[in-house]
Amino acid sequence: AQSVTQPDIHITVSEGASLELRCNYSYGATPYLFWYVQSPGQGLQLLLKYFSGDTLVQGIKGFEAEFKRSQSSFNLRKPSVHWSDAAEYFCAVGLKTSYDKVIFGPGTSLSVIP
Amino acid sequence: DAMVIQNPRYQVTQFGKPVTLSCSQTLNHNVMYWYQQKSSQAPKLLFHYYDKDFNNEADTPDNFQSRRPNTSFCFLDIRSPGLGDAAMYLCATTEGEGLGETQYFGPGTRLLVL
Repeated sequence: AQSVTQPDIHITVSEGASLELRCNYSYGATPYLFWYVQSPGQGLQLLLKYFSGDTLVQGIKGFEAEFKRSQSSFNLRKPSVHWSDAAEYFCAVGLKTSYDKVIFGPGTSLSVIP
Repeated sequence: DAMVIQNPRYQVTQFGKPVTLSCSQTLNHNVMYWYQQKSSQAPKLLFHYYDKDFNNEADTPDNFQSRRPNTSFCFLDIRSPGLGDAAMYLCATTEGEGLGETQYFGPGTRLLVL
């Protein structure tokens, strides 16, 4: 069955430190992959997405993600975290069933220490 | 500037008392989605409309219904809310139904069932 896993439930980093959030997927075909961010009490906002081509994808707010087919991974990275990056991060995969839909991973909560 | 609007932001209802949540969009997008997000969990798709075509997820309880009277508006009706229905309800839109479409989320309505 198709699934998205985010192994880290919660991560804490110091402001200015680098960040990597992990995402693994299980899907037979080449997936459409997304990272969304959700600030407290808010809806989700797209950070970046990957369909094909260059496996390193640049997004908004200084984020990037790398697709690694051999590892079924799509990890999100940022070289220097800001306090405003504290939020919930969701990895998602686009699936083609009877219609197109997106399945979200369980999320990783990021805390930033000043 | 708000593109996907959800009202109210907070809704309190009584056990078993019908409640309606509203979503409107200024993007003129064809597709509108309703997600349920319980605390510290991923958003779970309930159903979506492609224009007037309604698609219900197989595991969405019959207690949940939706209406889309026009392109701009979509409603979520919970006929007899139970305590387990307390959650954040997120509305989202996409221009089309393709796998690569970016979802635009509203801020959500947090439902409390007493």
